[in-house]
Amino acid sequence: NAGVTQTPKFQVLKTGQSMTLQCAQDMNHEYMSWYRQDPGMGLRLIHYSVGAGITDQGEVPNGYNVSRSTTEDFPLRLLSAAPSQTSVYFCASSETGQEGYTFGSGTRLTVV
Amino acid sequence: ILNVEQSPQSLHVQEGDSTNFTCSFPSSNFYALHWYRWETAKSPEALFVMTLNGDEKKKGRISATLNTKEGYSYLYIKGSQPEDSATYLCASPTYGGSQGNLIFGKGTKLSVKP
Repeated sequence: NAGVTQTPKFQVLKTGQSMTLQCAQDMNHEYMSWYRQDPGMGLRLIHYSVGAGITDQGEVPNGYNVSRSTTEDFPLRLLSAAPSQTSVYFCASSETGQEGYTFGSGTRLTVV
Repeated sequence: ILNVEQSPQSLHVQEGDSTNFTCSFPSSNFYALHWYRWETAKSPEALFVMTLNGDEKKKGRISATLNTKEGYSYLYIKGSQPEDSATYLCASPTYGGSQGNLIFGKGTKLSVKP
């Protein structure tokens, strides 16, 4: 049982490049979310999903896209990377949202 | 989006001290209140999820209470140990009628000196 797996762990992008951060869970959880962590800002919700085929915006969705074609996977796409997207990104999942979320180990992204 | 607020921002205590910190959240359309523990260089780990007014949860030396009518929760640590040093986060789904939109406070950073 791997839990929530995020890849890559580290990434450096040039401004304007696009990329996809991967998140997969093997716990059959319906709820999945993406957060970014910035100093002094805590964890901010980017996008979330309450089941396959359903996604919604969080607090800071601009510049990011998500899709949820399967229960297991919830990729986060950066369309055109900007230095303001330099952050640590966490993916998290929960069975129904009524119990605690399980977090992945994070992806540290630097945009230069 | 309505805010989840935590206080204090940081706390320094001596080993053996008992301590507590506060989370305030919007009391309208309340679904649940989550507490997480986040150690440096690790990922947040769930401590408690509380849903009912008056709820109390306990795990070892850590306990939490919930007041949904006034919109606050307290986290208590009895007899703090150095291994309790971490950032404690609370979170609540604050908008949209779904529990998927879990919004976090900025956390209380606890340092316990031996």
